[in-house]
Amino acid sequence: GQQLNQSPQSMFIQEGEDVSMNCTSSSIFNTWLWYKQDPGEGPVLLIALYKAGELTSNGRLTAQFGITRKDSFLNISASIPSDVGIYFCAGQLGGGADGLTFGKGTHLIIQP
Amino acid sequence: DVKVTQSSRYLVKRTGEKVFLECVQDMDHENMFWYRQDPGLGLRLIYFSYDVKMKEKGDIPEGYSVSREKKERFSLILESASTNQTSMYLCASRLSTGKLFFGSGTQLSVL
Repeated sequence: GQQLNQSPQSMFIQEGEDVSMNCTSSSIFNTWLWYKQDPGEGPVLLIALYKAGELTSNGRLTAQFGITRKDSFLNISASIPSDVGIYFCAGQLGGGADGLTFGKGTHLIIQP
Repeated sequence: DVKVTQSSRYLVKRTGEKVFLECVQDMDHENMFWYRQDPGLGLRLIYFSYDVKMKEKGDIPEGYSVSREKKERFSLILESASTNQTSMYLCASRLSTGKLFFGSGTQLSVL
């Protein structure tokens, strides 16, 4: 099946720093989704991207759908303690229920 | 907002027990999914359903079955629980295309 490479696996940052993470694929996708998961909870959708080149913001979060349709990035500006968690990307090719592929997550840790 | 509700947050079962994990969504979504999540392995698809009474195997269906008798409800069944099925189980739903919404998860421990 398709593979999604998400990096970095983990990030240790200071409060107030900006964060950047990305996902790359060997295959194209039609949709990119970014999720955040808090410990012991299910993933919560942050941003959905539907067009190559699309840049979308949600508060301090900004995500982009790569022009090649094989990558996406998520930026978080001015990080705060509640940003701690695991961030997942997901790529979707078609409408089929099996067309969704997940990255393995970026674990964000904010040091005091 | 879409609500996907999993009936239990935590479950502890014994080896060999039959286990039912229930999931209900309130947005008339066609597609429903069951994933398990393990450290270092990410999210792995167990089963999904396109519509009522329809089901398809995902990547790791062995040891599991599912039931979708009503559109809003998708049940995951562990016929005979084993210790290697200790995991976080996540239910999700969506329209035929578009955003996938997750429940809060069920942390299952099999002793």
